[in-house]
Amino acid sequence: GAGVSQSPSNKVTEKGKDVELRCDPISGHTALYWYRQSLGQGLEFLIYFQGNSAPDKSGLPSDRFSAERTGGSVSTLTIQRTQQEDSAVYLCASSLQGYQETQYFGPGTRLLVL
Amino acid sequence: AQKVTQAQTEISVVEKEDVTLDCVYETRDTTYYLFWYKQPPSGELVFLIRRNSFDEQNEISGRYSWNFQKSTSSFNFTITASQVVDSAVYFCALGGSSARQLTFGSGTQLTVLP
Repeated sequence: GAGVSQSPSNKVTEKGKDVELRCDPISGHTALYWYRQSLGQGLEFLIYFQGNSAPDKSGLPSDRFSAERTGGSVSTLTIQRTQQEDSAVYLCASSLQGYQETQYFGPGTRLLVL
Repeated sequence: AQKVTQAQTEISVVEKEDVTLDCVYETRDTTYYLFWYKQPPSGELVFLIRRNSFDEQNEISGRYSWNFQKSTSSFNFTITASQVVDSAVYFCALGGSSARQLTFGSGTQLTVLP
């Protein structure tokens, strides 16, 4: 079956612009996660959704970052007023029911802020 | 807090050699979950194995084997008769009842030379 998909694959933007990153989880998976992978910081957790609610937003680095999930499916991660330090690969994962289950990752979105 | 340590940053072997990737973890949870993921040059994190804390049985899958030892808080990964296609970054990760996210190690870059 189809895995986790993310779009766009690559995004280049200018400092100060807003960007939206999209994640489409595996069909039927109720839990969805966003992580960020950068050279200096490794893989960092950003946010966890169970259905449409986000019980854990503890990893969002600043109020410029927000995420939503609609219909228990697609999620959008929005970064406002992008900064150069936001450059990273943003990875989305999903699991069947909750955080105690195996997470399956998408291919990621490579974001470059100039 | 949870922590995963992969002390080997880079490993280089010649094809057909066996190689072991080390993973040491720290957690206060009594129930936790350990994972290995492979990240080839394409960038996607590929799930390899999951081990629950209450199941200390070691596992073998083809050329891959995993050694879980609670006494030393380790979950090591061995590739037997390595192949060039095994070249990738390998991540060990930890999940548990106190965290709704995975905590990743810093990864081990494995290069298998022909």
